[in-house]
Amino acid sequence: AQTVTQSQPEMSVQEAETVTLSCTYDTSESDYYLFWYKQPPSRQMILVIRQEAYKQQNATENRFSVNFQKAAKSFSLKISDSQLGDAAMYFCAVQGAGSYQLTFGKGTKLSVIP
Amino acid sequence: GAGVSQSPSNKVTEKGKDVELRCDPISGHTALYWYRQSLGQGLEFLIYFQGNSAPDKSGLPSDRFSAERTGGSVSTLTIQRTQQEDSAVYLCASSGRGRGGNEQFFGPGTRLTVL
Repeated sequence: AQTVTQSQPEMSVQEAETVTLSCTYDTSESDYYLFWYKQPPSRQMILVIRQEAYKQQNATENRFSVNFQKAAKSFSLKISDSQLGDAAMYFCAVQGAGSYQLTFGKGTKLSVIP
Repeated sequence: GAGVSQSPSNKVTEKGKDVELRCDPISGHTALYWYRQSLGQGLEFLIYFQGNSAPDKSGLPSDRFSAERTGGSVSTLTIQRTQQEDSAVYLCASSGRGRGGNEQFFGPGTRLTVL
């Protein structure tokens, strides 16, 4: 079984500032993948960043980076130079390497203040 | 290329009626998934297709829910005798392969409202 916990239902950040969204997870899998998805008001989920658990190096995608702490089962998302278009729901998810389904947290609503 | 599409975008129905939700995955994607997103909740996995087969249907909430996929492409999620608790956004996703951390590409969802 897998669980994902996002302890911050809502967050806000000033435009151009940096914000970190928290995520903790639990899985019985020895190998797994972690994801952050963004869901804007249009409802379409968009992959932000992906981390392979066996890789120690934290994934980065432009202004988005993660802090992956495997022993603590923590997978936080850092957004640098926040833009108005970053306002959305952000979902953390885990997938076992031999599995197909994603297990999602309940999401964090991010607001960007101009 | 075209992404995942879903129809209808919104569906309002009366309690007790049957509804069909459609998903067109990205061409060539063999894996297809259905998730349900209820108000204030995360996404709940419903069912997974590899080709036309559904190896795991355990996520379907009740026997009122069924799904099929034909020709390794289009999928239909059917809810019979709808109840108010079925109201949610139903999201479909597809990926090139089912496992291995492949990115799942999501459609815009169908918002179902049961009156």
